[in-house]
Amino acid sequence: ETGVTQTPRHLVMGMTNKKSLKCEQHLGHNAMYWYKQSAKKPLELMFVYSLEERVENNSVPSRFSPECPNSSHLFLHLHTLQPEDSALYLCASSPGLGSEQFFGPGTRLTVL
Amino acid sequence: GENVEQHPSTLSVQEGDSAVIKCTYSDSASNYFPWYKQELGKGPQLIIDIRSNVGEKKDQRIAVTLNKTAKHFSLHITETQPEDSAVYFCAAGPPSGGSYIPTFGRGTSLIVHP
Repeated sequence: ETGVTQTPRHLVMGMTNKKSLKCEQHLGHNAMYWYKQSAKKPLELMFVYSLEERVENNSVPSRFSPECPNSSHLFLHLHTLQPEDSALYLCASSPGLGSEQFFGPGTRLTVL
Repeated sequence: GENVEQHPSTLSVQEGDSAVIKCTYSDSASNYFPWYKQELGKGPQLIIDIRSNVGEKKDQRIAVTLNKTAKHFSLHITETQPEDSAVYFCAAGPPSGGSYIPTFGRGTSLIVHP
């Protein structure tokens, strides 16, 4: 499998659930990103990892917790979410910081 | 930080017409300007990019122009086809001040009518 993959593609969860989103890149890139995409809003950068170290955290609520165990995998752990957290969560990777990004298909999250 | 404005938010054209999407940015230190296309149910895909040492770049029916003095750049699609219908995002970066990540515009929904 090539490119950037994300699982699951769709997720419905209650506000008290704990779930995780998974991203995997098969491109040999060193940087990985989580974005939130809501209707009628710009892409919101959430977290950035470079060589498995977090380099940016844009004031994201603590109910979102990222994990990057190695340069190919990125997780977003979700806990006690709110309905306004419903959105498309996109993962991306790039060869290095500041270079062109390659996006996955996203996980459509609905919080009830 | 960087601020990117993108216009129009929606663009409707007839097949065969040209489409132009414009973006402005605020940080004169930005030197990389990618454009992404996002089709329904998919993530954004890079379609063309330009760096600040170049004023124009073409790839078949797609071209991007950059005016660094005015801090604006544009995407031009000629001979549009229905499969060009998608949301297009511009981005500018990296901005000065420590962030390595391009800032995205709000997106333009392009509709090409057959």
